[in-house]
Amino acid sequence: EAGVTQFPSHSVIEKGQTVTLRCDPISGHDNLYWYRRVMGKEIKFLLHFVKESKQDESGMPNNRFLAERTGGTYSTLKVQPAELEDSGVYFCASSQALRTQYFGPGTRLLVL
Amino acid sequence: AQSVTQPDIHITVSEGASLELRCNYSYGATPYLFWYVQSPGQGLQLLLKYFSGDTLVQGIKGFEAEFKRSQSSFNLRKPSVHWSDAAEYFCAVGSNQAGTALIFGKGTTLSVSS
Repeated sequence: EAGVTQFPSHSVIEKGQTVTLRCDPISGHDNLYWYRRVMGKEIKFLLHFVKESKQDESGMPNNRFLAERTGGTYSTLKVQPAELEDSGVYFCASSQALRTQYFGPGTRLLVL
Repeated sequence: AQSVTQPDIHITVSEGASLELRCNYSYGATPYLFWYVQSPGQGLQLLLKYFSGDTLVQGIKGFEAEFKRSQSSFNLRKPSVHWSDAAEYFCAVGSNQAGTALIFGKGTTLSVSS
């Protein structure tokens, strides 16, 4: 069984540009989560999808971040326009029965 | 406030020595507890979890953790560390409510000396 995959693994962009991160959850997992780890800080929750619906987006830092989950399959997280403080590692996780979340390898974003 | 504290930012142990990583939590509901590990260049891998029942749980790679409700702790242990255990370890807490976000500690980096 394939695990959670994320693309790209690394992204380096300039301030003001747009970046789109993608996450493919484990097949059959209805729950999909996004987390972020800013350097030196703990991993923090961004939002949670159940199928294609946003259940909780309380962790989204501001309206420059837009997450979508088309058809309840893969998800994208767009940052537009990117700022320096958006640099960090963005993790995606999925779960089936609301309990154990399985994480992807993360996307390392650097905004210059 | 809900939080997870990992008091040790960095620990170095000799290969073959025992290991204990500390984790304390503050959580309003019945906690579900997790340990994840991130090896260099890798993603977060689940080591073990505690939902209910036996408070001593076994995980992968020879790790175990003990849930102590009275101390609000979930410390991770391994009797004999291998060089490949060098990584960053994260303790996390969640609940059985629908879609509960995990709350993570800041992580403990483990170095293994020969």
